[in-house]
Amino acid sequence: AQRVTQPEKLLSVFKGAPVELKCNYSYSGSPELFWYVQYSRQRLQLLLRHISRESIKGFTADLNKGETSFHLKKPFAQEEDSAMYYCALMDSSYKLIFGSGTRLLVRP
Amino acid sequence: GAVVSQHPSWVICKSGTSVKIECRSLDFQATTMFWYRQFPKQSLMLMATSNEGSKATYEQGVEKDKFLINHASLTLSTLTVTSAHPEDSSFYICSATGTELTGELFFGEGSRLTVL
Repeated sequence: AQRVTQPEKLLSVFKGAPVELKCNYSYSGSPELFWYVQYSRQRLQLLLRHISRESIKGFTADLNKGETSFHLKKPFAQEEDSAMYYCALMDSSYKLIFGSGTRLLVRP
Repeated sequence: GAVVSQHPSWVICKSGTSVKIECRSLDFQATTMFWYRQFPKQSLMLMATSNEGSKATYEQGVEKDKFLINHASLTLSTLTVTSAHPEDSSFYICSATGTELTGELFFGEGSRLTVL
């Protein structure tokens, strides 16, 4: 079954600390994985996708097929990073399967 | 990036009435649109997929007679919650993609429905 798991509902760190938001997936084919972010009172927006291998706003995520993981990392968290983060898997028909989300709170 | 707009942003209605939510792609042709539902502090759950000009495909457990989806043009999809009840109160979000967007999805701002 296709599934995306984000084990942490809330991650609280101090400004400047490293951040890792965990994401594990279950998918029978070759997955296409994404991280979406939702800032307070704003719409969901794409943060990054694994095929582009970009670093957006200092965030990176590496697909580890052996561990079926796609953890989101940032070496130094900023207060403006506080938001809800969703890991998602896209199937062959463009359907997105979302994880339950992790709220990142970066404290000053 | 491409823009998807939903209307209304929020709506309150009486139990038993029907409510229509619109999802528009403003600057691209949305060949496929998706409708999601999000309960408080929970993730987005896909309700249905609609391709322009054809019937929507509903996910398991979603009542198609309850949640009517129409995608009559390349820029507009509508979700109608028929005979709404308090348990239908939720945040409804649409997303859209087009052939020129290489699979990237763009999300509307969401519509909050409260059924009294």
